Formats: sequence, C-alpha cells, structure tokens
Amino acid sequence: AQSVTQLGSHVSVSEGALVLLRCNYSSSVPPYLFWYVQYPNQGLQLLLKYTTGATLVKGINGFEAEFKKSETSFHLTKPSAHMSDAAEYFCAVSRSSGGYQKVTFGIGTKLQVIP
Amino acid sequence: ETGVTQSPTHLIKTRGQQVTLRCSSQSGHNTVSWYQQALGQGPQFIFQYYREEENGRGNFPPRFSGLQFPNYSSELNVNALELDDSALYLCASSLDSGTGNTIYFGEGSWLTVV
Repeated sequence: AQSVTQLGSHVSVSEGALVLLRCNYSSSVPPYLFWYVQYPNQGLQLLLKYTTGATLVKGINGFEAEFKKSETSFHLTKPSAHMSDAAEYFCAVSRSSGGYQKVTFGIGTKLQVIP
Repeated sequence: ETGVTQSPTHLIKTRGQQVTLRCSSQSGHNTVSWYQQALGQGPQFIFQYYREEENGRGNFPPRFSGLQFPNYSSELNVNALELDDSALYLCASSLDSGTGNTIYFGEGSWLTVV
C-alpha cells in the first residue's frame, strides 16, 4: 500500500521568506514522487517530479524538492516566496499496480503569502 | 500541442439523475485517468483507461463508469447521482500507463448535485 502525508493543511509565509511544504510517503517499492500546484478554480499543474537519479529535483517557478529515502520525505522548498505562489500544493506518489499507474495524492497544503 | 480539455466546466444535476463528463487527452497520449476532488481534499483516483480498456480502478462503486474512444478521448458517466458526488472531476492524460509518467490534468468539471 502507498500513502502520502502532507504536514500542515495551511501554511503562511511572508513575501520573500522561505517556503517549506512537507511531504512524507509510504511505499513498499521505490516510489515516483510528484508535486502539483492548483490555483483557485483550476486543474493541477506539475511543479516537479522525482523518478530516479539525482535526489534534488528542480521544478518550475523556482521550486525544488529533495528525495530523502532514509526519511521517506520529499519536501518542497522555495528560497523566496512571491505573492503569485499563493495556491494549494499536492504531493503525490506513483507506483505500478496490476499493470496501471496508481497515483495517490496527499490532502494538500494551502499556501498563503502575506505581503 | 493542445493540452487536456474537459467539458462541461460547470453543471448542476438533481439527485438520482445521470451525468456524462467528457475529456480530450493531450496529443500523443493514449492513457486517460479520472479523479474526483471533493472540497478540501486531494484528488481521488476513479479509474484509468489505456487503449480503450479500463486497466485500473479505485474505490468507487459501479455506478461510476467510463469509456475511451479510438482517438483516446474519454467519458466519465455517473448514474443515480448522490449529494456526495458533488465535486470537481479531473481528467488526466499520460503517454502510456507507465509508473513514472507525468500525468497532465485538465481544468476539471465542477459537478453540483442538489
């Protein structure tokens, strides 16, 4: 079985401050991991993904995430928050299940950026 | 290259009715998945279609059904609508059903059941 835990359903940061959104996963096999962003009334947009190789993954809009197998974590960071980063962020884990791609999402973290 | 498109964007149905939601996959993608996103929740996997066959299903009752057509577009049908079916329904497509593939989402269809 696989699951995703996002710590903190709401996170507030000041504009220019570090953004840290936490994600822990459980998976019986090496996972493929994703972060998606959802702006109000829109679908999900891929920020970044980890499949194999380098554990520090760079994505769009200045975001990056580090895969830490020993901690089963895949936290999302951005050095300096912009107002436009206010959105909901979803961590997801993907694995093969009976021949199809099973993707499990976390509950999401709403990021508020304070001017 | 067009992305994933869904229709309608919003609709209101009465409890007990049936609804059909439509999705066009991204060009070159043969795999389509459907997700239900209730308010304040993450997307929940409904099912996946690969080359016109359902090849995976989440924990949803049989009144949720689907189709995939030869051009890889897809439909989600929900019969006997219940109030709890009110949600954002997201269609996603990918190159194939491989585990590491990125899934690309459409804007979603907002369904309200009254």
